[in-house]
Amino acid sequence: NAGVTQTPKFRVLKTGQSMTLLCAQDMNHEYMYWYRQDPGMGLRLIHYSVGEGTTAKGEVPDGYNVSRLKKQNFLLGLESAAPSQTSVYFCASSYPKGGREETQYFGPGTRLLVL
Amino acid sequence: DAKTTQPNSMESNEEEPVHLPCNHSTISGTDYIHWYRQLPSQGPEYVIHGLTSNVNNRMASLAIAEDRKSSTLILHRATLRDAAVYYCILRPPRDNQGGKLIFGQGTELSVKP
Repeated sequence: NAGVTQTPKFRVLKTGQSMTLLCAQDMNHEYMYWYRQDPGMGLRLIHYSVGEGTTAKGEVPDGYNVSRLKKQNFLLGLESAAPSQTSVYFCASSYPKGGREETQYFGPGTRLLVL
Repeated sequence: DAKTTQPNSMESNEEEPVHLPCNHSTISGTDYIHWYRQLPSQGPEYVIHGLTSNVNNRMASLAIAEDRKSSTLILHRATLRDAAVYYCILRPPRDNQGGKLIFGQGTELSVKP
């Protein structure tokens, strides 16, 4: 199993450009998450999904949109990139085994620089 | 969300035990205590979790205070590969919020040869 993969690994955008980050998991997990991590800080949740076709806002959702059309994929979109969105983006997935004990599996991250 | 408090950084010598503390005085009776770590330039990875009893796995041990207001992650023999940021996270009871993790700033562990 590849686990959680993210595409691309690194991207440079100009202010106002748009892009989509792709997260894929091959573990048949129900839940998927997008986090961002700014230098020297912990991860913050952007959006998450508890199943195919459903999404919800996390802690810092503004400026981002997401879609979960297939169970194995979770897309994060930036419609009009801003320098404040320069960050490392991590995707994660988990399976709701018993409600409180799910382990989250993280991807390797996407480094995004917005000029 | 219940908060956790961890030291910003700790140092250890290789092959010595490491005790990473975490205070969570506002923990509720149903919160699980999870630990994740993040190696340099990688995504976080799960280490261990527990509720009330001490827990052991191949990576580490978790010691939970009797009143559950604090816990300690124990690495029995630190290696250079254990140098990472360690996050102590409280998981609230199951709700409709997808089991999200709330990350603090964690403890940056450095290991000296």
